[in-house]
Amino acid sequence: AQKVTQAQTEISVVEKEDVTLDCVYETRDTTYYLFWYKQPPSGELVFLIRRNSFDEQNEISGRYSWNFQKSTSSFNFTITASQVVDSAVYFCALSEAHHTGTASKLTFGTGTRLQVTL
Amino acid sequence: NAGVTQTPKFQVLKTGQSMTLQCAQDMNHNSMYWYRQDPGMGLRLIYYSASEGTTDKGEVPNGYNVSRLNKREFSLRLESAAPSQTSVYFCASSDRGINEKLFFGSGTQLSVL
Repeated sequence: AQKVTQAQTEISVVEKEDVTLDCVYETRDTTYYLFWYKQPPSGELVFLIRRNSFDEQNEISGRYSWNFQKSTSSFNFTITASQVVDSAVYFCALSEAHHTGTASKLTFGTGTRLQVTL
Repeated sequence: NAGVTQTPKFQVLKTGQSMTLQCAQDMNHNSMYWYRQDPGMGLRLIYYSASEGTTDKGEVPNGYNVSRLNKREFSLRLESAAPSQTSVYFCASSDRGINEKLFFGSGTQLSVL
């Protein structure tokens, strides 16, 4: 069975601090995809990134960066120079590659609530 | 650009009542999903529909039924609501493929008293 663990339940930082959200996953698949979603106070989940298991290059998008390490089964998310608008719950998710059909079945972690204050 | 639309946004039910949550997407996606979100448990898949005319159980299907009415619409029905079904429900859709990203609706907050 697949599993995604986000051990950090809640993190509080002061604006402009850097913060890293941890994500550890378990899967027997050799091919899989990892995702991060943001859930702001409005409630709707917003897609941030998708990364496949064959691409271990780090990715940077503005103040966001992702570090994927297959050796430790981790896909961590760093926000540089955090801002109040980054306050949200962040979910890491893992796709289930080996199942019948064509749906995209994601297993989500329990989420990390990030609070950024002035 | 509506994306995924869910109705209603809020609902309060008494134990034993029934209701249907509606979901529609305008992105011509093949697959649709229903998740529930509970504190400390993340999102858990209730049912999904890989394509029009098919539905399958997810991780927590008990107490629910679904209907893929057409390519656009996917409804979730609670036949006899229980307090354990108090949750936030999210509908999502994705394009064809097993590793595609999901697009989510804004959620339905359901309380069962």
